[in-house]
Amino acid sequence: GAVVSQHPSRVICKSGTSVKIECRSLDFQATTMFWYRQFPKQSLMLMATSNEGSKATYEQGVEKDKFLINHASLTLSTLTVTSAHPEDSSFYICSARLSSSILTGEQFFGPGTRLTVL
Amino acid sequence: DAKTTQPTSMDCAEGRAANLPCNHSTISGNEYVYWYRQIHSQGPQYIIHGLKNNETNEMASLIITEDRKSSTLILPHATLRDTAVYYCIVMAGAQKLVFGQGTRLTINP
Repeated sequence: GAVVSQHPSRVICKSGTSVKIECRSLDFQATTMFWYRQFPKQSLMLMATSNEGSKATYEQGVEKDKFLINHASLTLSTLTVTSAHPEDSSFYICSARLSSSILTGEQFFGPGTRLTVL
Repeated sequence: DAKTTQPTSMDCAEGRAANLPCNHSTISGNEYVYWYRQIHSQGPQYIIHGLKNNETNEMASLIITEDRKSSTLILPHATLRDTAVYYCIVMAGAQKLVFGQGTRLTINP
């Protein structure tokens, strides 16, 4: 099956710093990638949809200036949490949709990145 | 908002079939039924999806009722590694996956 990787898997940073998380589709091209956030004991919440070569579409309530998304190629999307604060501590997960699955919508998820802001 | 209803939790004995129900009474004609699962502290894993016919793969079977208002995911021989939260999601191809609360399935030895 299609493989999606994330880096880093775990990051601890100080409040006020910025953190970049990478999401890569390893063996397929993905015109669309998605970023989710998951707090403990809660379900996944979609943050934004990232399309290669265009601006990301953010869900209501997600600050686009705080969560910068760049989808520069068909295999890489990055999420940068700017000026991170403790309330940004969460499990961040990306997914990628195969270009050939535009009709069925099948998505493959990365392993997640656990961010802890001190 | 999630368009599906699932039981909050279920238990199943190891080696037995696990049958996870999902109600999606407002499903549209072009929407697929997807099943994903999430093992603790990992990203979700795709299991199976279907439109109206029953589907089977190496992981599971998906049974969709004729009126498409409900479906059942069947894990034929559950193992301890199948303990996870199972999400039933309905979605048309170009839409976004919206996760509900899912069913927490516990496989007991």
